[in-house]
Amino acid sequence: GAGVSQSPSNKVTEKGKDVELRCDPISGHTALYWYRQSLGQGLEFLIYFQGNSAPDKSGLPSDRFSAERTGGSVSTLTIQRTQQEDSAVYLCASSSRRSAIQETQYFGPGTRLLVL
Amino acid sequence: KNQVEQSPQSLIILEGKNCTLQCNYTVSPFSNLRWYKQDTGRGPVSLTIMTFSENTKSNGRYTATLDADTKQSSLHITASQLSDSASYICVVSASSGGYNKLIFGAGTRLAVHP
Repeated sequence: GAGVSQSPSNKVTEKGKDVELRCDPISGHTALYWYRQSLGQGLEFLIYFQGNSAPDKSGLPSDRFSAERTGGSVSTLTIQRTQQEDSAVYLCASSSRRSAIQETQYFGPGTRLLVL
Repeated sequence: KNQVEQSPQSLIILEGKNCTLQCNYTVSPFSNLRWYKQDTGRGPVSLTIMTFSENTKSNGRYTATLDADTKQSSLHITASQLSDSASYICVVSASSGGYNKLIFGAGTRLAVHP
């Protein structure tokens, strides 16, 4: 009965470095989402994976951001050449279906990224 | 442009008191509206979900209302407890290409004091 887990919980990096954030969704959930939450701001959609379909990347802010989902389970969000404005909490969520009107997303605890 | 606006930004109440949080949205086509509770340092947790035809839904001391005509929703918390201190996020789902796209409000930060 484990929920969505994310690692690391906190990450401090220097400007210009690359970072990788990991998300382990709830077992059996086919849909996986990445969001970004800047201080005092609402959640911002980044990318969505559904099964074997092509991901919806419409929320990625720049080409420095990319994500992959291996084997339909674990996902990695990669930020290349980090900038200070990338500092935020990165949240991952999973759900069993996206098209269902009553679909509920279950969120992980987030990774707090600080770019110095 | 799809938007979700919440008010107030922050709120302080005394333990045991009631409060109401507001959410206005301009999202089309509307699919459903959710309220999430986000404790500090944690991911959001779903409280309620309402579709177009539902006017009210309760979850314990939390009661959400939806007026689809005026595109407004409220979350009423009854007999507040210290553990209610959190951010409350209104999320509206828009149907897009056969799936739901979520638009998040910035949240209302609630502090319940003894």
